[in-house]
Amino acid sequence: SQQGEEDPQALSIQEGENATMNCSYKTSINNLQWYRQNSGRGLVHLILIRSNEREKHSGRLRVTLDTSKKSSSLLITASRAADTASYFCATDYGGSQGNLIFGKGTKLSVKP
Amino acid sequence: DSGVTQTPKHLITATGQRVTLRCSPRSGDLSVYWYQQSLDQGLQFLIQYYNGEERAKGNILERFSAQQFPDLHSELNLSSLELGDSALYFCASSGGTGRHSPLHFGNGTRLTVT
Repeated sequence: SQQGEEDPQALSIQEGENATMNCSYKTSINNLQWYRQNSGRGLVHLILIRSNEREKHSGRLRVTLDTSKKSSSLLITASRAADTASYFCATDYGGSQGNLIFGKGTKLSVKP
Repeated sequence: DSGVTQTPKHLITATGQRVTLRCSPRSGDLSVYWYQQSLDQGLQFLIQYYNGEERAKGNILERFSAQQFPDLHSELNLSSLELGDSALYFCASSGGTGRHSPLHFGNGTRLTVT
C-alpha cells in the first residue's frame, strides 16, 4: 500500500492565494520529499526535509514535518497559474534510498 | 531539463509482445530507478540499480526485467505484455546510494498495450 497519502486529492484556488497540501504516512521515515508533476511530464523535486527537521523553506514553499503525527504539509504562498500541477509527497522509510514511496498526489489548479 | 533522457516517448504495442525502454541518467549519477505510473495504482517503485548492480526491488513483475550497463544507461524490458501494463514508465537518477539525495526524473515513456 502507499506509504504517503496526500490530502486533499484536488484543490482549486485563485492566483495570489495560498495553497496547503497535507501528507500522512504510516511508519518511521528517514526523510520526506515533495515533488511536482506537470501534466504528462516527469516529476520535479521541490524540497527534502529530514526526520530531525521540523520546518524548511525554499522560495515560496514552506514544508513542515511532524514525526509524532506522521504528517507533513506543503504550503505554497502567493500562488501563480504556473503552479498548476500535481504535488506528491514521497517518503524514504529505510532500505535503499531508491525506495521512495509516493502518495497519489494533490491536483492543484490555480485560476488566473 | 532534468538531464535524464528516456526513449521512446510513446510506444504502442499489442498484447503478448515485448518492448524495451531506455534511460540515460544525468551526467555523473550512478543510481538509476524505474517507476510505473498508472491512474489506479499511482507511482510504483519497480527497481533500482547502482553502478551496474541491482540495489533494490519493488513491485516489479516477473515478466519485467532491467539492467544497467557499464556506461550507466539502463534498460527496462517488459515481456508478455498485458492490457494492464499500459502506463507511464519513468526513469530517475541520483548521485549515489546515500539518503537525502533528490531523484531527477525523465519525462517518461507512455506505453499503450492494445
